[in-house]
Amino acid sequence: ETGVTQTPRHLVMGMTNKKSLKCEQHLGHNAMYWYKQSAKKPLELMFVYSLEERVENNSVPSRFSPECPNSSHLFLHLHTLQPEDSALYLCASSQDPPSWDGPLYEQYFGPGTRLTVT
Amino acid sequence: TQLLEQSPQFLSIQEGENLTVYCNSSSVFSSLQWYRQEPGEGPVLLVTVVTGGEVKKLKRLTFQFGDARKDSSLHITAAQPGDTGLYLCAANSGAGSYQLTFGKGTKLSVIP
Repeated sequence: ETGVTQTPRHLVMGMTNKKSLKCEQHLGHNAMYWYKQSAKKPLELMFVYSLEERVENNSVPSRFSPECPNSSHLFLHLHTLQPEDSALYLCASSQDPPSWDGPLYEQYFGPGTRLTVT
Repeated sequence: TQLLEQSPQFLSIQEGENLTVYCNSSSVFSSLQWYRQEPGEGPVLLVTVVTGGEVKKLKRLTFQFGDARKDSSLHITAAQPGDTGLYLCAANSGAGSYQLTFGKGTKLSVIP
């Protein structure tokens, strides 16, 4: 496997279900991200982890619970979701951003999980 | 909140035509990236520009970063059906920030 992989690619769940999304990066990066992509909206950053520690949480409802057991794996645990949570969930990874302007800072994305909440 | 405005929102052209899409902001960014995303897939990084006035070429794609590092353009020469997709620009707010600000994208359709 190369790059960033995500499983499952498609998920349909009821509002009372509990499910988990998995992401794995094979790029040797320190940081991992969860994004939500809905129709007609820009990509929304949900969570950021660096070396297994959460560094950002952008006011995401508690029904989304991230877990980062090591720098290569990232999970998003889902429970009691709402239909408006249906979206493409994208995982990304990068090196930590540089502390000064100039060096490249690039995020690499996985293929996403298309989630439908019924 | 820093915003990236992309234009046009939609673009449909014939194979072989040239096109330019734009990414504009009132904020200064330390770097800016262009991605292409196909339906049901994640964005794929095309290029990162970091220096004001920088021009980068990737085959038929030419990327330019504005002198003031507030805007960027993507020019495609002789578009092919394989260029079809959603083109996203994203910019980093500054040193040490994990946050990338994304535009809403330009949806390009190249008709054979």
